[in-house]
Amino acid sequence: GENVEQHPSTLSVQEGDSAVIKCTYSDSASNYFPWYKQELGKRPQLIIDIRSNVGEKKDQRIAVTLNKTAKHFSLHITETQPEDSAVYFCAASKGGQGAQKLVFGQGTRLTINP
Amino acid sequence: GAVVSQHPSRVICKSGTSVKIECRSLDFQATTMFWYRQFPKQSLMLMATSNEGSKATYEQGVEKDKFLINHASLTLSTLTVTSAHPEDSSFYICSARAGGSGAFFGQGTRLTVV
Repeated sequence: GENVEQHPSTLSVQEGDSAVIKCTYSDSASNYFPWYKQELGKRPQLIIDIRSNVGEKKDQRIAVTLNKTAKHFSLHITETQPEDSAVYFCAASKGGQGAQKLVFGQGTRLTINP
Repeated sequence: GAVVSQHPSRVICKSGTSVKIECRSLDFQATTMFWYRQFPKQSLMLMATSNEGSKATYEQGVEKDKFLINHASLTLSTLTVTSAHPEDSSFYICSARAGGSGAFFGQGTRLTVV
């Protein structure tokens, strides 16, 4: 089955700098890659996603890139702010519809230092 | 985004008793819901896929007789932890996908077995 590896496990950056989190996946049939942000004690929130027919997607300070050949995708956060501090999870699934399960990476604890 | 509601948010039970957790999709129909377990500072581990009107599909290593899943309607799935023991203490969280979008999560249930 699908296996998703996420790095780094922890990341600390200065406020205003950029943060990059990387994930690799094993199943070449996977075609949907969402990213989630989870604050302590709360539910994961979808922040951005990308499908395999697109190489890059951006939403304000957040962007995701996908390299299908290498089977990896990355989350980029620019101009980081203290409220970006959280745990971030990448995930992968195949198929385009709701019945397909998401396989999650191990998570990255991002700390933004003021 | 779509709304998924999970209840209760916290529950404390005695060893040997059973606990039922409800997961509802409030503004969309979910033929499939997913149940995850999350240990402190760890990722989301998929336990089972809940299918409306049919049996749940359990991930390897998850005891189906221990974690009973019922998906009786298009908006409700329940997870019952039977004969709970302290090692079952964890954060349980459900999710559902609305169409081809990313998964939306319930608030999660923190179960403590004493």
